[in-house]
Amino acid sequence: GAGVSQTPSNKVTEKGKYVELRCDPISGHTALYWYRQSLGQGPEFLIYFQGTGAADDSGLPNDRFFAVRPEGSVSTLKIQRTERGDSAVYLCASSRTGEMGGYTFGSGTRLTVV
Amino acid sequence: KQEVTQIPAALSVPEGENLVLNCSFTDSAIYNLQWFRQDPGKGLTSLLLIQSSQREQTSGRLNASLDKSSGRSTLYIAASQPGDSATYLCAVYAGGTSYGKLTFGQGTILTVHP
Repeated sequence: GAGVSQTPSNKVTEKGKYVELRCDPISGHTALYWYRQSLGQGPEFLIYFQGTGAADDSGLPNDRFFAVRPEGSVSTLKIQRTERGDSAVYLCASSRTGEMGGYTFGSGTRLTVV
Repeated sequence: KQEVTQIPAALSVPEGENLVLNCSFTDSAIYNLQWFRQDPGKGLTSLLLIQSSQREQTSGRLNASLDKSSGRSTLYIAASQPGDSATYLCAVYAGGTSYGKLTFGQGTILTVHP
C-alpha cells in the first residue's frame, strides 16, 4: 500500500485480556518500529525489527509485551494480561534500511483498557 | 540517557503571527534531529530533518535551526495559519547502534485562531 496501515484504529478491552495490534508497513521497507504514546507525551520507543528479527527490543516495558514479524513484512504487537496503564496510542513506523529520516508513521491504534 | 524537552507545552496565537517552538536535549552526541507534526487521530508527519553537521533547514514557511553543542533546536513558523494548528514534536537520533531509534520530546500543542 501507499502508507503504513495499522489495525484496529481503536481497541477497547477489559483489564486482564489479551490483545493483538497489527502493522502493515510500506512494501519493501525492511525496518519496522513500534512506539507507544501516552496522553500528553511524545512517542516512546518499544521495539525495532530489521527483516524478521528484533534487532532492539530494549523499549518493551515488561514480559507482557511481545512483538513478531514472521515474514519480514506485517508485524503484530501482542500484550498479555492487559492493565489500565497500557492504555495509549501504539504507533508503527517503517523505513528502508539505512534511510535515516525516511520514516513513515501509521495513524496508530488507540488502546483503552477498562 | 537522552532526554528531550519542548517548551512551551501549549501555544495559542492569532493568525499571521510568527512563532518559535523550542526543543532541548541533554546529550549532544546526536546524529540528527527531526521535527514532526501530529494532527489529532493521525500519525506523525516529518517536517524537517537536520543532520548534526548542519545548522538549519528550511521548507516553505518553516525554518528549523540546530545548535548541537548547546543541545538546542528551534522551529520557526512564519505567518502562521489556522491550518498550522497541531502538535509539534521534536525527536533526536543518536546514530550508531541506536538502529534508528528516536527519542521524542513531549510536544508543543499549537493553536492558531482566525
